Formats: sequence, structure tokens, C-alpha cells
Amino acid sequence: DIQMTQSPSTLSASVGDRVTFTCRASQSISTWLAWYQQKPGRAPKLLIYKASTLETGVPSRFSGSGSGTEFTLTISSLQPDDFAAYYCQQFNTYPWTFGQGTKVEVK
Amino acid sequence: QLQLQESGPGLVKPSETLSLTCTVSGGSISTSLYYWGWIRQPPGKGLEWIGSIYYSGTTYYNPSLKSRVIISVDTSKNQFSLKLSSVTAADTAVYYCATQGGGGIFDPWGQGTLVTVSS
Repeated sequence: DIQMTQSPSTLSASVGDRVTFTCRASQSISTWLAWYQQKPGRAPKLLIYKASTLETGVPSRFSGSGSGTEFTLTISSLQPDDFAAYYCQQFNTYPWTFGQGTKVEVK
Repeated sequence: QLQLQESGPGLVKPSETLSLTCTVSGGSISTSLYYWGWIRQPPGKGLEWIGSIYYSGTTYYNPSLKSRVIISVDTSKNQFSLKLSSVTAADTAVYYCATQGGGGIFDPWGQGTLVTVSS
């Protein structure tokens, strides 16, 4: 299985901050990576796929980059609605696997 | 716009079989565009893909669960289902169904249903 490792596990930030977090794959997955946002008690929501393609309707302050084994998700100016958990997922090879998540909390 | 809704018992006894159904609305499950997947999330933990099915019945399972999982599809009811046998407390989780498109992207998701394994 391809292991996905996210860092940090928790990130403390303030509204307006630029935040970046990382997802690493245990082997190359090209750009077959998705990012999801999950709020408490809610299902995950797709933000970005193929590492850098923004899902329709997702604010442009979200951006993704990377290829191979290292990927980043950046929020250019953190908004109150963005405090949530973020998960990466590889879809290069079955079984699909997720990172353990990064929780963005209020500083 | 596709919508998915999970249904099934919220409490299952240890060693028994967990059974859930996902009803798809807003589109046909018999489309060549998508697979249909199950993902779970233990309380306070991360996401685990369980398996996915195509309308033709082709399935892919997570090897970690494969010996206990059966995913099936009922195109006449626009539903697909999950059966997980010999459950233990470790199977307590929120179970989500989701549309799998674009090679392996999950969107949209159902709202999720909490299944607790307890006697």
C-alpha cells in the first residue's frame, strides 16, 4: 500500500494568515492526489484533484502543488470558514489511501 | 446533481455482520462515468477506503478488509450496499458512501452514518 503522511498534524493560525501544509507519499504517485476539507460532523468535501486542479466552486484562496512524492496545500488568506481538517488522498494505485489529516485550529 | 444517502442499523453486535445501503438520487447508478465507494472514519481518526463497485458488479476492495467485505449493486433500486462480517469494536466508525470519479476522486459524499459495534 502507498502510505500518505501529512504534516503538521495540527496547525494553529489566525484569520488572514497564509498557511501551507504538506502531504508525502511513500512512493511516486505522479499527480494523482486529491485534497479534502472536513468540518466536524460533516462529510469530507473535495477541494483539489490531480494535485493542483481546483474543484468547481472552491475559493481561489486554495491552491495545491507538487508531483511525485511531495505535495502542498496552501490557503493564501485564511478565512473563518477554513478552520477544519484537511486530508490528502492518493488515487494512483489501489488501495486508495488517505493521509492522517491536518487540523487547522484558531491560534 | 448526484446525492447519496446511507441507511442501515446504527448498532451491531460483535461477531455479527454490518449491513449498509447507499441510495443514489439525481442520476443513474448505471453510468459508465463512475464507480461507487465506501469509506469509513473511526471516531476522532482518519479516513479509510473500504472498497468500490462499478454498475456492472466489478469490485475493488481494500486488502486489509477484503476477507470480510462484500459490496454489491442493485441497479433497479439505484442502490449499492456494504456488508462487513465478523465485526469487532474496531469497526465502530462513521461509514460514508461516495461517488468515485476521475480515476479515484470521491465527490460527492453521503452525509455518513455512525455504526457502533457493541453488545
